[in-house]
Amino acid sequence: GAGVSQSPRYKVTKRGQDVALRCDPISGHVSLYWYRQALGQGPEFLTYFNYEAQQDKSGLPNDRFSAERPEGSISTLTIQRTEQRDSAMYRCASSPRTSGVSNEQFFGPGTRLTVL
Amino acid sequence: AQSVSQHNHHVILSEAASLELGCNYSYGGTVNLFWYVQYPGQHLQLLLKYFSGDPLVKGIKGFEAEFIKSKFSFNLRKPSVQWSDTAEYFCAVIPGYSSASKIIFGSGTRLSIRP
Repeated sequence: GAGVSQSPRYKVTKRGQDVALRCDPISGHVSLYWYRQALGQGPEFLTYFNYEAQQDKSGLPNDRFSAERPEGSISTLTIQRTEQRDSAMYRCASSPRTSGVSNEQFFGPGTRLTVL
Repeated sequence: AQSVSQHNHHVILSEAASLELGCNYSYGGTVNLFWYVQYPGQHLQLLLKYFSGDPLVKGIKGFEAEFIKSKFSFNLRKPSVQWSDTAEYFCAVIPGYSSASKIIFGSGTRLSIRP
């Protein structure tokens, strides 16, 4: 596709439910990043992949959060047993090369998650 | 703690006014610096970036930023703003010690331009 896409764009769920957020990176991009942005804050790193390998998950807040990218393209961020504090904008980004500081990241539109 | 600080949460200007948004970071050593912009209803977009070389960086839409290493600053400037510059602006850093491109963002500055 022309850009990074994310689905759903908006998700409202009840506390205790599981949610899966999807990211489809720019075709050919090898690295994929997940960020979370709370209201009034900047995005915070969650995890990233090079191809299908998860390289760093240090930003995942607890073990209810997990991510996968099984074929090195589409990624899914799963939140189990959601809590109200999980409400945020979840952003995905992709980049054309593996890790390296000059590697530009292109962001998707985000998924706005609201946990009631 | 290591961080990126943006001094103003909300800036309101009239059209044609000059703009400067402050950004300071607390990482020592090599850093890679960015400004991202999010226009209403749109994605985060890269406005400009600094990796090395000339510390005065020019970006899209007439924006520029100056890296001052001694002040740990990377302030964003535009000589004359337009109504269409209304957006949220994020300063961001990738510390040079990071083996990954983990971007560390500031909390953002909301810019409102009065027509």
